[in-house]
Amino acid sequence: GQNIDQPTEMTATEGAIVQINCTYQTSGFNGLFWYQQHAGEAPTFLSYNVLDGLEEKGRFSSFLSRSKGYSYLLLKELQMKDSASYLCAVRDSNYQLIWGAGTKLIIKP
Amino acid sequence: SQTIHQWPATLVQPVGSPLSLECTVEGTSNPNLYWYRQAAGRGLQLLFYSVGIGQISSEVPQNLSASRPQDRQFILSSKKLLLSDSGFYLCAWSVVPDRDTEAFFGQGTRLTVV
Repeated sequence: GQNIDQPTEMTATEGAIVQINCTYQTSGFNGLFWYQQHAGEAPTFLSYNVLDGLEEKGRFSSFLSRSKGYSYLLLKELQMKDSASYLCAVRDSNYQLIWGAGTKLIIKP
Repeated sequence: SQTIHQWPATLVQPVGSPLSLECTVEGTSNPNLYWYRQAAGRGLQLLFYSVGIGQISSEVPQNLSASRPQDRQFILSSKKLLLSDSGFYLCAWSVVPDRDTEAFFGQGTRLTVV
């Protein structure tokens, strides 16, 4: 079966750096997405990786290793507003998105 | 710019009652449209997707149905709700072809079946 694994919850301090990992086992691979979802709201797009390596976008970066079935989202200079759930999703061979359960990130002052 | 509208934001319905959630997209033509459900602490579960008017693919057999009567309108329905239908329902759209692009989500509907 298809599987996306992320830690359930992480805690970090304001101003620090946090890395959220995602491992996947899917039938084919056509890209990996990271979304941010605040409680009770819709997910919003953060990043997309289809080739190995690091994609940087401001305070957020996302890394992909297709051979290892692994990605991470790196958040720098954490702010209180970054408290949210972070969803990893993989597009499989049928171009359908397979979603992880999300990682709830708690930021403490 | 493209926008997606989904309503209502919250809904409390008794078991056995019907359901109709509506989603409309503005600013684009012939989008791919999706209905997802998200249970508490769980990932997004794809319920239905549509690549055109009247074209609906169902991913999970259940007592829900979907329809696309117009190009930018997607409706999620049920004739008789079950307690297990409670959850957070999200409509989403993506451009065609959507192979390298992300999906954009509506605000979501929090459905509680009592």
